[in-house]
Amino acid sequence: DARVTQTPRHKVTEMGQEVTMRCQPILGHNTVFWYRQTMMQGLELLAYFRNRAPLDDSGMPKDRFSAEMPDATLATLKIQPSEPRDSAVYFCASGPRGAGTDTQYFGPGTRLTVL
Amino acid sequence: AQKVTQAQTEISVVEKEDVTLDCVYETRDTTYYLFWYKQPPSGELVFLIRRNSFDEQNEISGRYSWNFQKSTSSFNFTITASQVVDSAVYFCALSGLSQGGKLIFGQGTELSVKP
Repeated sequence: DARVTQTPRHKVTEMGQEVTMRCQPILGHNTVFWYRQTMMQGLELLAYFRNRAPLDDSGMPKDRFSAEMPDATLATLKIQPSEPRDSAVYFCASGPRGAGTDTQYFGPGTRLTVL
Repeated sequence: AQKVTQAQTEISVVEKEDVTLDCVYETRDTTYYLFWYKQPPSGELVFLIRRNSFDEQNEISGRYSWNFQKSTSSFNFTITASQVVDSAVYFCALSGLSQGGKLIFGQGTELSVKP
């Protein structure tokens, strides 16, 4: 049963620290998405990649967030420096065909708490 | 603009009741896709259904059914004979062809099924 995996599942850190979240998309999927879920904003897209190339990161605060896909099996989302308002659940999702409107399959999420 | 509205924030039913979750969407795309996801208390997002804008046939899967009506821009979800395990937050989402695959989520409906 192929699944998207994310690490860590939980992260507690102090303001100003660097945070790196990792995602392994489903093997063979070539679209990867990062979403953030908060009570106030709901689910919002931060960035997405197709065939490892960044297509859209307009939802991401550029001064502190960065997203990369160093290879087809790994996507990373980094926050530096972290702030309390970054506390949220971060989801990674992958899609099979890169057609953009594919079904997206979500990982279990990383729950980030910034103190 | 693309938008998804789930007007029901919370619904509470007793087991075995039928329940319908409403979803209304806005889009300028003629080709678009509609989705429902389930988020149980454990937090993961589980894909339930994907529907394209050219297919208005209703879908049934076990106790779940979906009613897509383009005339009213609605994609409602009905659970028949609800069970306690159906308790979750349900999200309706839209992906328009012009948006390159971004999922626009509604705010979610929290369903509580009591024994």
